[in-house]
Amino acid sequence: LAKTTQPISMDSYEGQEVNITCSHNNIATNDYITWYQQFPSQGPRFIIQGYKTKVTNEVASLFIPADRKSSTLSLPRVSLSDTAVYYCLVGGRGNTDKLIFGTGTRLQVFP
Amino acid sequence: DVKVTQSSRYLVKRTGEKVFLECVQDMDHENMFWYRQDPGLGLRLIYFSYDVKMKEKGDIPEGYSVSREKKERFSLILESASTNQTSMYLCASSFPVGGPEAFFGQGTRLTVV
Repeated sequence: LAKTTQPISMDSYEGQEVNITCSHNNIATNDYITWYQQFPSQGPRFIIQGYKTKVTNEVASLFIPADRKSSTLSLPRVSLSDTAVYYCLVGGRGNTDKLIFGTGTRLQVFP
Repeated sequence: DVKVTQSSRYLVKRTGEKVFLECVQDMDHENMFWYRQDPGLGLRLIYFSYDVKMKEKGDIPEGYSVSREKKERFSLILESASTNQTSMYLCASSFPVGGPEAFFGQGTRLTVV
C-alpha cells in the first residue's frame, strides 16, 4: 500500500476554507484516495473518496492532480465542529486490502 | 443504519489476564479490522479479516490474536494482558469491493493495571 504524508496539524478560523494536502508518491494504478474524519473518543468516519480530478459531496471536495501523487481535501467555510483529526488513505478495492492509517492532520478551528 | 458495535466502552483488566474484545457488525461486510490508537501514533492495524476464519496480520500483531467464526463477529484476544497494551481499541468493517470505506465502532478504552 502506498505510504501517505500529511501535515501534523493546522489551525483555522470559523468561516475560512481549509485545504489539507496529502502526498502519496508511490500510489498504484488501481489505488483510490479516501479521507476520514475523527472526533475525540470516536471512531473515524468516512468523508470522501476519489480516483482522479475532482470529487465533491455535501461535506467536502477532493482535488486530485493528473499525476495522482498528491491530493487535497477542501473543507469550505469551516466551523468549530470541524475541529478533528483528518486521515488520508490510499488503497485499492481488493478484498484483501488492508486499511492503513497514518498519524493524520489535527485541524483546530478557532472562533 | 450502519452499525458496528463493540462489546465494552471501558474495560479494566489485570496484568496477565486473558482479555476478549468483541465486535459485531450488522452490514454483512466481508472485511473486518482491529486497530489500536495511542496519542501521537494514529491508528495502527493489529489484525485484518477478509472472510470467515481468514485473517492477516497488520502492523502490530504481537501479543494479540483474533477469531472470526461468524461473518458478523470479529474478536480480538489479548492472550496475557500487559500494561503496554493499555490503549483505545477500534473495530471496523467494510465491503471488499466499492472502495476502502470502513465503518467504525465506538471504541473500547482498555486499561491494564
